[in-house]
Amino acid sequence: DQQVKQNSPSLSVQEGRISILNCDYTNSMFDYFLWYKKYPAEGPTFLISISSIKDKNEDGRFTVFLNKSAKHLSLHIVPSQPGDSAVYFCAASAGAGGSGGYQKVTFGTGTKLQVIP
Amino acid sequence: NAGVTQTPKFRVLKTGQSMTLLCAQDMNHEYMYWYRQDPGMGLRLIHYSVGEGTTAKGEVPDGYNVSRLKKQNFLLGLESAAPSQTSVYFCASSPTGSTDTQYFGPGTRLTVL
Repeated sequence: DQQVKQNSPSLSVQEGRISILNCDYTNSMFDYFLWYKKYPAEGPTFLISISSIKDKNEDGRFTVFLNKSAKHLSLHIVPSQPGDSAVYFCAASAGAGGSGGYQKVTFGTGTKLQVIP
Repeated sequence: NAGVTQTPKFRVLKTGQSMTLLCAQDMNHEYMYWYRQDPGMGLRLIHYSVGEGTTAKGEVPDGYNVSRLKKQNFLLGLESAAPSQTSVYFCASSPTGSTDTQYFGPGTRLTVL
């Protein structure tokens, strides 16, 4: 049972345009959401996160939107650059963790973004 | 500062063989993790450690063992490899255990024939 779903395996966008990556989740207990970026032959790197008490979080060109009622989040990249070409993983957890134990993180299957120059 | 390194990068095993994957971090992080990534699935946690000398089971621990004898190293062992263990294995470390502070290694691609 895939509790975090990224239904688009790939996405192509022209340089300078907006990239929108989508993610849906089914577990109502999830209250902390993350996006990771992965280049080939490298491990994932943390990109941006959002708590369920917010509906938007912005960091430079990257903005994550959360729609709790629809159990949907999206990552917007504006403007898209060729260096943004990578696989993007959505992830979710029930809590942010960090209090001495482990907080289980459920990952989506990833969306491969290609930004065309 | 190398961050998180994994050895080896690639390995091919025959069914029934054993091997150990090594993860090393030079950031003095308390928490370390082993994940596997399979086609069509997200990363899944195999085992983790919250400090030197400690280990705990994750989501998919069967067929694997781990050890954390030194704070900087986290070893993942396969005692009798099976084709179902063909995967890409990622190690990660974290200073706090919070979900947004995990630093991942580059991965080990393991094929079991």
